[in-house]
Amino acid sequence: EAGVAQSPRYKIIEKRQSVAFWCNPISGHATLYWYQQILGQGPKLLIQFQNNGVVDDSQLPKDRFSAERLKGVDSTLKIQPAKLEDSAVYLCASSFPIRGKYPEAFFGQGTRLTVV
Amino acid sequence: SQQGEEDPQALSIQEGENATMNCSYKTSINNLQWYRQNSGRGLVHLILIRSNEREKHSGRLRVTLDTSKKSSSLLITASRAADTASYFCATDWSGGGADGLTFGKGTHLIIQP
Repeated sequence: EAGVAQSPRYKIIEKRQSVAFWCNPISGHATLYWYQQILGQGPKLLIQFQNNGVVDDSQLPKDRFSAERLKGVDSTLKIQPAKLEDSAVYLCASSFPIRGKYPEAFFGQGTRLTVV
Repeated sequence: SQQGEEDPQALSIQEGENATMNCSYKTSINNLQWYRQNSGRGLVHLILIRSNEREKHSGRLRVTLDTSKKSSSLLITASRAADTASYFCATDWSGGGADGLTFGKGTHLIIQP
């Protein structure tokens, strides 16, 4: 079974530039998550999609971050403009759609973003 | 803010010894999960324990859950060099409509050969 695919693996940008990350979840997984993991900390949920609808974006900094999941499959996360504190690994994860019964999340390798 | 706190933050043991790490959380939960993260394989699910369970085993892993104390422990028996990684507990809040996981800060485990 193919895992969660993310690209790019690494990205270096200057502050105030924009950047986009792409995620392709495991086939059949209706639920997709984006997490931000700052060095030395655990992942923090940014946004959760169920199919192409947003379930939870309470921790997404909406003034600069946006995400979409067109057609309920692939997803993109965008940062515009980037700040130094956005330097982190951005993790995409997917899971089965049945809440509470199959909550295990499968994670991609992540995109390491460095803002200079 | 992060839900859980793992303890200790770092742990170094000899290969073959047992490793125990603890997790505390703040709100009522549906499930508690443990994940492992290393540079080679990213974040990988290890084991899940439901809020109505007290103990669970999977291979060399043993997880306990005490919902009255809002705490969990992960025991890795007969540790191997390949167990060197960061370990995170993650919970999903039972009172929320979504089931996104809330992670702790992690325990960094080093297995000395």
